[in-house]
Amino acid sequence: SQQGEEDPQALSIQEGENATMNCSYKTSINNLQWYRQNSGRGLVHLILIRSNEREKHSGRLRVTLDTSKKSSSLLITASRAADTASYFCATLKTSYDKVIFGPGTSLSVIP
Amino acid sequence: DTEVTQTPKHLVMGMTNKKSLKCEQHMGHRAMYWYKQKAKKPPELMFVYSYEKLSINESVPSRFSPECPNSSLLNLHLHALQPEDSALYLCASSQPTVTGANVLTFGAGSRLTVL
Repeated sequence: SQQGEEDPQALSIQEGENATMNCSYKTSINNLQWYRQNSGRGLVHLILIRSNEREKHSGRLRVTLDTSKKSSSLLITASRAADTASYFCATLKTSYDKVIFGPGTSLSVIP
Repeated sequence: DTEVTQTPKHLVMGMTNKKSLKCEQHMGHRAMYWYKQKAKKPPELMFVYSYEKLSINESVPSRFSPECPNSSLLNLHLHALQPEDSALYLCASSQPTVTGANVLTFGAGSRLTVL
């Protein structure tokens, strides 16, 4: 069963614009992670935010977490064509070895 | 070495064949995973091995049989598959931490086509 839900399902923006993706989840979590997947390839871990954190930055990425609303957002600033990919949020339940992915957002950055 | 290596990259098999997917990591990770991913869908968890023992089986049909020969290797044995089993099969590994953080390192995947 999927833990996270994301919106939008697809997002198309111009290079240089910011991209925001949202993720909602249903049960309590230990942490929430974001991954990127280029077409037909494996996933790459981007950033992890713990349940006691509200915001985290990594380069052009900014992640927020609102545990009261059970939601998270991923902001990519100054997007580049190379950011074109699918982005998935993933939640970790209380059992540390079960990572469940949301449906993902397909991002297209137009040069 | 920070990679997870999956072989083969592509596999075409008939419904009566027996084949295996292989996964290898040399990062010292003690948890290894198989995920199945259909087109335009998220990865779906199939199996988790922790310290070489099967810890999670997400009600996967018995035609998929995982095996963890040692801490670096993970196999997925395939037998009598159906066309709907065609998908990208992803292997991942992680090192469990006391804080509960569990970051997965993925391989590039094995693209399986069942005829």
